[in-house]
Amino acid sequence: GQNIDQPTEMTATEGAIVQINCTYQTSGFNGLFWYQQHAGEAPTFLSYNVLDGLEEKGRFSSFLSRSKGYSYLLLKELQMKDSASYLCAVRDSHQNQAGTALIFGKGTTLSVSS
Amino acid sequence: DTAVSQTPKYLVTQMGNDKSIKCEQNLGHDTMYWYKQDSKKFLKIMFSYNNKELIINETVPNRFSPKSPDKAHLNLHINSLELGDSAVYFCASSQPGQIYEQYFGPGTRLTVT
Repeated sequence: GQNIDQPTEMTATEGAIVQINCTYQTSGFNGLFWYQQHAGEAPTFLSYNVLDGLEEKGRFSSFLSRSKGYSYLLLKELQMKDSASYLCAVRDSHQNQAGTALIFGKGTTLSVSS
Repeated sequence: DTAVSQTPKYLVTQMGNDKSIKCEQNLGHDTMYWYKQDSKKFLKIMFSYNNKELIINETVPNRFSPKSPDKAHLNLHINSLELGDSAVYFCASSQPGQIYEQYFGPGTRLTVT
């Protein structure tokens, strides 16, 4: 079966650091993605991990442990504009490579307050 | 210079009607997708096409029929609309061989009354 879990909601204050966790159980694995989605807008790509370890990109970092089926997205120096939903998604390698879709978690709504 | 565009952005219609949503990408990508995002924000794959060929067809009622006239376009036709079809439909595209992250269109909010 396929299952991706992440917390439904999180709150934080400006300037703080927040970690959004994601655990997954999929029949195959060929990469984990984090997307950001502001209300009423399209998801936009944030990060990609296929090997274990930490990938850093500015204020955002993403970590992957394939053996634990676990990832997190770390957001530093939070800003009000970071208030959004953060979607964890896995690419299932058992699917056809050319048309492989992403399996999404239900998203974590992050609210940043001043 | 929009990368992935969809029309219409909003669609309000009555049960039983037939409607279409159009998607176009100018990124030169080979693969396109349709996703459905329900009221709980859960984003789920419906179809994917690679070079106009259907690759993925998830458990979707056969009232939904995708059509790809060329690799830059993927349209979605829905017959006999039902209340449960109300959702936001996102088109996306990607290019296999790299990270091939998916680029999403702005979404079409479909409301069935």
